[in-house]
Amino acid sequence: RKEVEQDPGPFNVPEGATVAFNCTYSNSASQSFFWYRQDCRKEPKLLMSVYSSGNEDGRFTAQLNRASQYISLLIRDSKLSDSATYLCVVTQGGGADGLTFGKGTHLIIQP
Amino acid sequence: GAGVSQTPSNKVTEKGKYVELRCDPISGHTALYWYRQSLGQGPEFLIYFQGTGAADDSGLPNDRFFAVRPEGSVSTLKIQRTERGDSAVYLCASSPGPADTQYFGPGTRLTVL
Repeated sequence: RKEVEQDPGPFNVPEGATVAFNCTYSNSASQSFFWYRQDCRKEPKLLMSVYSSGNEDGRFTAQLNRASQYISLLIRDSKLSDSATYLCVVTQGGGADGLTFGKGTHLIIQP
Repeated sequence: GAGVSQTPSNKVTEKGKYVELRCDPISGHTALYWYRQSLGQGPEFLIYFQGTGAADDSGLPNDRFFAVRPEGSVSTLKIQRTERGDSAVYLCASSPGPADTQYFGPGTRLTVL
């Protein structure tokens, strides 16, 4: 079983719409959770960390459900520039360790 | 300041050859990570350095892969007897310290013919 599962999409969404996607992780001992954004042929960049209490950054809201082991990302009022691949990421340990990435969800915002 | 840099940006080699990929982390970052990303996949962890030592090399796929960071700054990922399946983008990331946010370099696209 893959450690981090995401729907690869693509999600085709009209500009201005709200879009949400989730990912699930298999290791209940996972400690830290993130969403990264990756543009075509570019490196991943941190979008936001994810906390159980939920956190918001502008049009983006992330939520962690530890009991169900899933992480969500909500994008409101989507912009053309939001088109990218969104990678769900977890770390396994409490200290420093490598990031475990999902395959990514491909989002296309259409004018 | 300058971000993580990686050289070369592209590398084409023949099956069986040896390659070296270089990563220059952000100045002052003590933690350095190597990942490999195949087409349509998320990045896959290879190895993590804290300072000069490899703190976790559990992601290296086999003994053809080796990485060093002799002075605690620049790191080199070395691949011996390359195979076509090694073709991927090799990403390097650094962070100020353990468990801090990782910043990725642009990657080296390796193609093994």
